[in-house]
Amino acid sequence: GNSVTQMEGPVTLSEEAFLTINCTYTATGYPSLFWYVQYPGEGLQLLLKATKADDKGSNKGFEATYRKETTSFHLEKGSVQVSDSAVYFCALSRYNQGGKLIFGQGTELSVKP
Amino acid sequence: DSGVTQTPKHLITATGQRVTLRCSPRSGDLSVYWYQQSLDQGLQFLIQYYNGEERAKGNILERFSAQQFPDLHSELNLSSLELGDSALYFCASSVGGRAMNEQFFGPGTRLTVL
Repeated sequence: GNSVTQMEGPVTLSEEAFLTINCTYTATGYPSLFWYVQYPGEGLQLLLKATKADDKGSNKGFEATYRKETTSFHLEKGSVQVSDSAVYFCALSRYNQGGKLIFGQGTELSVKP
Repeated sequence: DSGVTQTPKHLITATGQRVTLRCSPRSGDLSVYWYQQSLDQGLQFLIQYYNGEERAKGNILERFSAQQFPDLHSELNLSSLELGDSALYFCASSVGGRAMNEQFFGPGTRLTVL
């Protein structure tokens, strides 16, 4: 079946450090891929997305590239800030399943000043 | 603020009871989704409606049901509640009902079953 696997957290970084959160997926065909972010006490917000192979999604300094050959969609940011502390979810959606999102388990990021 | 509203914010009830969670989508959005977030299961898709019709179904228990009304708001009904139903229930909405449409999430309803 379709699934998403993320690296385990929590991840603790110092401000201005480089961030990578790994995400791999299992799905037939060409799913759409997403990164959502959940700040404490809030709902999820879309961070970025990519809908086809080799697409790069980017937003607020975060980037992720849809790699079909490695079935991956790793999230990166060159210099994290304290305000980036949140839980990050990788997700996929299949074209023939409406808008159903399948989420990874989430990775908690804590950025220290 | 995503524009999606959910009520109530918190709900505490007892095993065996029935509750109704309500969601109002963003203005103009036709599709509504329900998700359950718990520590052991993570974020799980429950069900999707598009313009009043069921579009996709996930791991929704038979004790749970949902509907979308003509004004596009949605309700999730949970009955014969068990301790394991304690979770955060999110509603999301999108303009279309397809895979690439961005979903906007509400703040959630925290359900505690005692």
